[in-house]
Amino acid sequence: AQTVTQSQPEMSVQEAETVTLSCTYDTSESDYYLFWYKQPPSRQMILVIRQEAYKQQNATENRFSVNFQKAAKSFSLKISDSQLGDAAMYFCAYRITSGTYKYIFGTGTRLKVLA
Amino acid sequence: NAGVMQNPRHLVRRRGQEARLRCSPMKGHSHVYWYRQLPEEGLKFMVYLQKENIIDESGMPKERFSAEFPKEGPSILRIQQVVRGDSAAYFCASSPQQAKRSPLHFGNGTRLTVT
Repeated sequence: AQTVTQSQPEMSVQEAETVTLSCTYDTSESDYYLFWYKQPPSRQMILVIRQEAYKQQNATENRFSVNFQKAAKSFSLKISDSQLGDAAMYFCAYRITSGTYKYIFGTGTRLKVLA
Repeated sequence: NAGVMQNPRHLVRRRGQEARLRCSPMKGHSHVYWYRQLPEEGLKFMVYLQKENIIDESGMPKERFSAEFPKEGPSILRIQQVVRGDSAAYFCASSPQQAKRSPLHFGNGTRLTVT
């Protein structure tokens, strides 16, 4: 069975600095999708970035980028030039590529941004 | 194009009552997923439905919980005889088709509090 692990329950970063959130997963499949979702206090689940496993190039969305290491089954999120609005829970998710295509989520990392 | 609509946003029930959570997927989406988020935890898959069909209910408790997605109208997650342990945020997500490249769009969730 697939699992997603986020080993950092909480992280802090100074405004304008860079922070990296870690995520590891376990799967026997070769093709899959990985996602990072942001959940602010409003509870809304906001898609931050996604990575296709068959693509070697790391995905980038403005200040957000990933370091995807397929062999190590690692999928970390880097936030550059952190802003106060980045404070939220961040969830890593894996999407299975057969059957129901459901997401499997990690337990989340709470990011605090210090002014 | 309106997003995934969930209502109510907050729901308070006494032990033993029934809770009905509604989800209207995005226009054109025919696949609905329900997830549960306990406090300080990630989202856990409950059930996956297509119009008039339950495809995967492997994450849903066998007793007291049921879900439907009728041909017309919203998807409904029903919890009978609620207990305090049912207190959580319940999220609905939809996608246009069952494909790994179709991202899930989440609603803002319903927070259920059982007193």
